Amino acid sequence: QVQLQESGPGLVKPSETLSLTCKVSGVSVTNRNYYWGWVRQPPEKGLEWIGDICYGGQTHKSPSLKGRVTMSLDTSRNQASLRLTSVTAADSAIYFCVRVVTGMGWFDPWGQGILVAVST
Amino acid sequence: QSVLTQPPSVSGAPGQRITISCTGNSSNIGTGNAVHWYLHLPGTVPKLLILRDSERPSGVPDRFSGSKSGTSASLAITGLQADDEATYFCQSYDSSLSSYVFGSGTKVTVL
Repeated sequence: QVQLQESGPGLVKPSETLSLTCKVSGVSVTNRNYYWGWVRQPPEKGLEWIGDICYGGQTHKSPSLKGRVTMSLDTSRNQASLRLTSVTAADSAIYFCVRVVTGMGWFDPWGQGILVAVST
Repeated sequence: QSVLTQPPSVSGAPGQRITISCTGNSSNIGTGNAVHWYLHLPGTVPKLLILRDSERPSGVPDRFSGSKSGTSASLAITGLQADDEATYFCQSYDSSLSSYVFGSGTKVTVL
C-alpha cells in the first residue's frame, strides 16, 4: 500500500523559504511510472497544483509559481521535497503531497496534508 | 477562483440519485483532457473516485459513475447514503495554462 506523509514547519516568516518533505512508502521514488507532486489549498479557497517531479529530474511547474518553486527527490530516503521561496501570506495553505501516474494525470494517493502558515 | 466550476452544494435524501457538474472550457475538458473525481472529508486524505472520465478504481462502489460531454463532466451518485456526505471535486489538465486544474468543490449533504 502506497502512503505519503508530509512534514515540515507549520510556520514560516514572510520573505523566507518554505521547505517541505514527503516521505514515500510502498513504492520507490525511482519508479519512472510516477511523478511526485504537490498541491495546496489556501483557507476557504480551492485546490492549486504546484508542480511535480520524476526520477531523472524532469519537472513540471505551475506557471504562476514557477520562479519560486524547486522540487527534488532523495532516493536514499525515498522522499520528495518542495521549496518555495519568498513566501507571503498568500502562500498560507494546506500542502498535499501526491503521486501522479506518468502521462495519465490523476493524483493517487494523496498525503494527509500539512498546514503551513506564513506570518511574523 | 477555480478554473473548473462546480456547484457549491448538492443535497439529496437517502436512496436518491444526485449529480455534480464540473464545467470547464475549450482549453481543458473541451479539448478532450481527462476528468478525474475525488472525495474529501475534512481531516482525511482526499480519495480518487473516478479516473479518466468514467473509470472506477478498484474498491470504489458502482454507485459512483462519471461522464463527460463537451466542456462539462458529471459525477453521479445513486443510492445516496449518509456516508456519502463529503466534498467532491473534479480535476483535469488545462492545455492553455499548462497546468493541472481543479474544480471548486461540491459539498454533498444527505438530508
